[in-house]
Amino acid sequence: SQTIHQWPATLVQPVGSPLSLECTVEGTSNPNLYWYRQAAGRGLQLLFYSVGIGQISSEVPQNLSASRPQDRQFILSSKKLLLSDSGFYLCASDTGELFFGEGSRLTVL
Amino acid sequence: AQSVSQHNHHVILSEAASLELGCNYSYGGTVNLFWYVQYPGQHLQLLLKYFSGDPLVKGIKGFEAEFIKSKFSFNLRKPSVQWSDTAEYFCALGGGGADGLTFGKGTHLIIQP
Repeated sequence: SQTIHQWPATLVQPVGSPLSLECTVEGTSNPNLYWYRQAAGRGLQLLFYSVGIGQISSEVPQNLSASRPQDRQFILSSKKLLLSDSGFYLCASDTGELFFGEGSRLTVL
Repeated sequence: AQSVSQHNHHVILSEAASLELGCNYSYGGTVNLFWYVQYPGQHLQLLLKYFSGDPLVKGIKGFEAEFIKSKFSFNLRKPSVQWSDTAEYFCALGGGGADGLTFGKGTHLIIQP
């Protein structure tokens, strides 16, 4: 069965610092991969999706970026974090059904 | 553009009460509809999904949802809730492509013993 690993699980970063959240998928190959952000009272917002290595589509313009260096690896990054980047970030994999990782909680101070 | 509206942000019920959570969507094409649940401290899990066929779909843990095309709705129901149903519930819409799902803002359900 499919498993999605995300790390770190919790992160506290100062404004202006860089960010790297990592997601790896096991149990499937060539999945579509997604980064969602869950902010309080705002539901789940799709940030990026990828249909293959090196292929990234952005849904929302912002200071975040994503990369997919390997088939089952999806990375969310920022060069300089903003306060508004705080939230719960979820990686998801789609092989006909969306499976979610356990999430990474980011607090920007 | 597609959108999903969940009418109730917070719902409080007593055990054994019946549940209906509203979900309306806006999309001009063929829709795939989902309900996800996030129990406290756990990750999002799929409750049920509708792609085509019988508009009444049954999911895990006694949940069901009915797709009513004329009302653009996909409401979630359960005849008798339990304390363990306390969770956040998300309705989601997909157009069938690779560009992910559009989620509603979620409904926080609290079941009082």
